[in-house]
Amino acid sequence: GEDVEQSLFLSVREGDSSVINCTYTDSSSTYLYWYKQEPGAGLQLLTYIFSNMDMKQDQRLTVLLNKKDKHLSLRIADTQTGDSAIYFCAELGHGGSQGNLIFGKGTKLSVKP
Amino acid sequence: GAVVSQHPSRVICKSGTSVKIECRSLDFQATTMFWYRQFPKQSLMLMATSNEGSKATYEQGVEKDKFLINHASLTLSTLTVTSAHPEDSSFYICSASGGAEAFFGQGTRLTVV
Repeated sequence: GEDVEQSLFLSVREGDSSVINCTYTDSSSTYLYWYKQEPGAGLQLLTYIFSNMDMKQDQRLTVLLNKKDKHLSLRIADTQTGDSAIYFCAELGHGGSQGNLIFGKGTKLSVKP
Repeated sequence: GAVVSQHPSRVICKSGTSVKIECRSLDFQATTMFWYRQFPKQSLMLMATSNEGSKATYEQGVEKDKFLINHASLTLSTLTVTSAHPEDSSFYICSASGGAEAFFGQGTRLTVV
């Protein structure tokens, strides 16, 4: 079935770049998403990429999509302590005519001063 | 990782009836639960946040009298869609948190006919 996998933890120093990786199984996914969840808060959509794109940049965020390998990554430039959170990768999977979001388990990003 | 069970996974109901969706944390105590809704081909939308033993906090535009949320225990939250209409047909997903991390249920596909 459809599955999304990502590493559970990442630790970086403030000012460095963070790269969070994700793999998915549904090759027909049309949209792939990155969400951020801060402690005690709900999900916040950070960015998304359409499957016919290789890259999308939005300020400090860069999303890279390798459709052949079904690999998605999120790069955060100049990581700040405020970026500490859990980052979820999600794909828009199959579900009849509508489609459901399939989430990874989340990567906990810790930013050290 | 922690397990969150959401039930039912699919439900079809008649217009005007009410539907209850359950979200259970199976191996941890969920002090906070989040309820999301996904519109067709779109990303997730946070509907409400509930803390155990207190009233849910609804996001702007979400009718609290229509989407009743109960979080009576540390392992169970329910979402009741009252007097359902076809436009309520959607994918509903819960997320449970016992601290900094949150875990997702499998989602419920609601179809109102």
